[in-house]
Amino acid sequence: DAKTTQPPSMDCAEGRAANLPCNHSTISGNEYVYWYRQIHSQGPQYIIHGLKNNETNEMASLIITEDRKSSTLILPHATLRDTAVYYCIVRVGINTGNQFYFGTGTSLTVIP
Amino acid sequence: DSGVTQTPKHLITATGQRVTLRCSPRSGDLSVYWYQQSLDQGLQFLIQYYNGEERAKGNILERFSAQQFPDLHSELNLSSLELGDSALYFCASSTSGGNTEAFFGQGTRLTVV
Repeated sequence: DAKTTQPPSMDCAEGRAANLPCNHSTISGNEYVYWYRQIHSQGPQYIIHGLKNNETNEMASLIITEDRKSSTLILPHATLRDTAVYYCIVRVGINTGNQFYFGTGTSLTVIP
Repeated sequence: DSGVTQTPKHLITATGQRVTLRCSPRSGDLSVYWYQQSLDQGLQFLIQYYNGEERAKGNILERFSAQQFPDLHSELNLSSLELGDSALYFCASSTSGGNTEAFFGQGTRLTVV
């Protein structure tokens, strides 16, 4: 049921920006894009979400294209602790619960 | 700390048995979600409750059931356990069923032997 496509893995040098892409070409006008990450087998951690405007918080920035068919999560200064699986999620079911459907995600490795 | 509490953290049981996993959502959150994550697999949505009522069902087996109580905590019951039910089970909560973020607990690791 996942409606997103992400590269399976990426590497990033420590201290550099990590740019994680996500395609969601079938997104509907009222569906939000969420990003979570999971470190080892811990519970997924919320990062950021947005509808159509770019968003920024203390963890990351979310850039959504004007046509909303893709987005990029930016970790401005990656650290070793950012090594994790990152999930891009289009939340579905506005009127039936807004479940989060997780795809396979991108495994980000931050290299010293 | 997400504020979502799951107990127990670890559980080992035999095939054919029944177990109950418990989730206490963040204070004020009305919506609870349950997910299953088998070894090296993604998170599978099982079921969602909102303010005591079932809101949505995902890939939940008939041997599994859940409920949300008046104090908003939730329990996931797994019965007639099979080896393949060994997995991490996560609970998440959010303030509503709308477009708010959900926060996940640290999970219960179930091992069926």
